This record gives sequence, C-alpha cells and structure tokens, in this order.
Amino acid sequence: KAGVTQTPRYLIKTRGQQVTLSCSPISGHRSVSWYQQTPGQGLQFLFEYFSETQRNKGNFPGRFSGRQFSNSRSEMNVSTLELGDSALYLCASSTGMGGELFFGEGSRLTVL
Amino acid sequence: DAKTTQPPSMDCAEGRAANLPCNHSTISGNEYVYWYRQIHSQGPQYIIHGLKNNETNEMASLIITEDRKSSTLILPHATLRDTAVYYCIVRSTMNRDDKIIFGKGTRLHILP
Repeated sequence: KAGVTQTPRYLIKTRGQQVTLSCSPISGHRSVSWYQQTPGQGLQFLFEYFSETQRNKGNFPGRFSGRQFSNSRSEMNVSTLELGDSALYLCASSTGMGGELFFGEGSRLTVL
Repeated sequence: DAKTTQPPSMDCAEGRAANLPCNHSTISGNEYVYWYRQIHSQGPQYIIHGLKNNETNEMASLIITEDRKSSTLILPHATLRDTAVYYCIVRSTMNRDDKIIFGKGTRLHILP
C-alpha cells in the first residue's frame, strides 16, 4: 500500500512569510503526528491529530498550528517565519492507539 | 523531556553484532519500547518493538531487562548500510495523552 506522502519536499521562504505543509497518511490510519528536526535539537514533537482533533501538542509557540481533515490528511502551518524555523518537517501516521509510526520523507524548509 | 537515554554515538565493525543500549527507567507498565532508525535525513524507519519479552524480526533483536528499565537493540551482522541514527522511544497504547518524544538517538558508525 502507498506510504506517507509529504508535500512539498523542498521549499524556500523569507522571514515573516507563512508556510503550509501537507501530509497524506497511509490509508486507514487516523493519526498524524508532526515533528521538527534540526541538527541541534534532533527530532522534536510538534503535535498529533486523531480523527480531526488535536490530541497532543509539543512545546512550540502558537505560530505553529495544524489541522486534520475528514480523510485524515493533515496540514501544518507556520506563520511569521523566523530563521530558526529552517528544518526538516516530518509527519508520521499510525492507527492511533499507540503502535508503529510510519514516516514520510519530510519537507525541508529553508527560511532566508 | 525525553523518557529514554541513549549514548550519542557508537562504532561497530562491519560483520560484527551492533548492540545499542537504551535506558528507560521511568517506563510504565503499559508502555512499549520502540526502536527506529534514520538514515541521512530520510524519514525514520520502524525496526522493532516490545513490551517485556525479547523480540526478533528480520532486521534485529530486542532484549528488554526483566525490570524493563533498559533494553538493547541488536543488529546481528552489521553492514555499512546500517550506518544511521537509532532512536529508542517508549509509547503507550492506552494513554492517548502521551507525547511522542524521540530524544537525540545514537549515531551508529559501521566501520569497514
């Protein structure tokens, strides 16, 4: 079956702009979680959505937000971009009751 | 804060067994131990998981101590393709409020 798909794979933005990233989970998976990965901080949990509801949230400012649609596809948005937001953004899908996470290849964001 | 502690890096000779330790002293009774690896900024890949019994699959073996406070991932015959960052996480299948915390993992170098 098809894996987790993230779009776009690469993007460049400037400070102050906003960005929206998309994640399509594996068919039948109801949970999507998002992560930010930077060289200095490793993989950091952003938030998790399950059946269109945010179930968990990491320690990130309110500029980071997300949503999940009825088909389980998820988007995350970062507003008022800062240089420090440059990172690889990964999403993972799962059935939703713990269990194995299936990761996408990520969206690499560069903020200039 | 990470629920697991791993050494930042390890070396292993090609063809030998790679033994990667993980401490999870605060693990609760309903939390599983999961291992993932990430090869050069690709999305992390699931390796194996377990609750309290030792587990083996085609990729690796997982040894969990009797008190469940630590575990070891064993790659029986390491190859150069096993060079990656390995993450150990604990995750409950019951508590829907748990954040998924990866920590910084162990960077495994396979030496030719």
